[in-house]
Amino acid sequence: GENVEQHPSTLSVQEGDSAVIKCTYSDSASNYFPWYKQELGKGPQLIIDIRSNVGEKKDQRIAVTLNKTAKHFSLHITETQPEDSAVYFCAASMSQNYGGSQGNLIFGKGTKLSVKP
Amino acid sequence: DADVTQTPRNRITKTGKRIMLECSQTKGHDRMYWYRQDPGLGLRLIYYSFDVKDINKGEISDGYSVSRQAQAKFSLSLESAIPNQTALYFCATSDRRRADTQYFGPGTRLTVL
Repeated sequence: GENVEQHPSTLSVQEGDSAVIKCTYSDSASNYFPWYKQELGKGPQLIIDIRSNVGEKKDQRIAVTLNKTAKHFSLHITETQPEDSAVYFCAASMSQNYGGSQGNLIFGKGTKLSVKP
Repeated sequence: DADVTQTPRNRITKTGKRIMLECSQTKGHDRMYWYRQDPGLGLRLIYYSFDVKDINKGEISDGYSVSRQAQAKFSLSLESAIPNQTALYFCATSDRRRADTQYFGPGTRLTVL
């Protein structure tokens, strides 16, 4: 089955710097890669996702890149702010819209990001 | 996400007790999931349901059972709680047309003494 490795487990940056979190996956059939942000005391929230038919996706200060050959994908946060401090999870799935178990997400173990003012 | 609610938010119980955690959603989604979160281990799938008549085991179903009482309600039970079931539990939902986009509830912190 799919296995997702996430690094680093903790990351501390100065406000305004960039942060990068990397994940690798094992199943080449995986084709959907979301990133979730979990703030203290809350459930994970989807912040950005990418499908295997594209190599990069951006949303304001957040971007995700995907390298299918190497089976890894990364989250990039630019101009970090204190409110970016949270735990970030990557995940992978073999996306299929109808039926079966496809669509179940396999999560990485999380990265605790701290942004120092 | 306020559309997915979980009760209780916190629960302390003793070894051997039966516990039920409840999840309700107003998103109209057909799929619902229960996850467990432990420090350093990420989120692991316990059970999932594609509709009221469909229940499936996830990665770590031993010691747990579920009930899908209606499309909007999905309950997780611990028949006889043990201390290593102390964890954060999250319910999530998704729509079958975009099954991989999941929306999480706020979580239940369960402590088993």
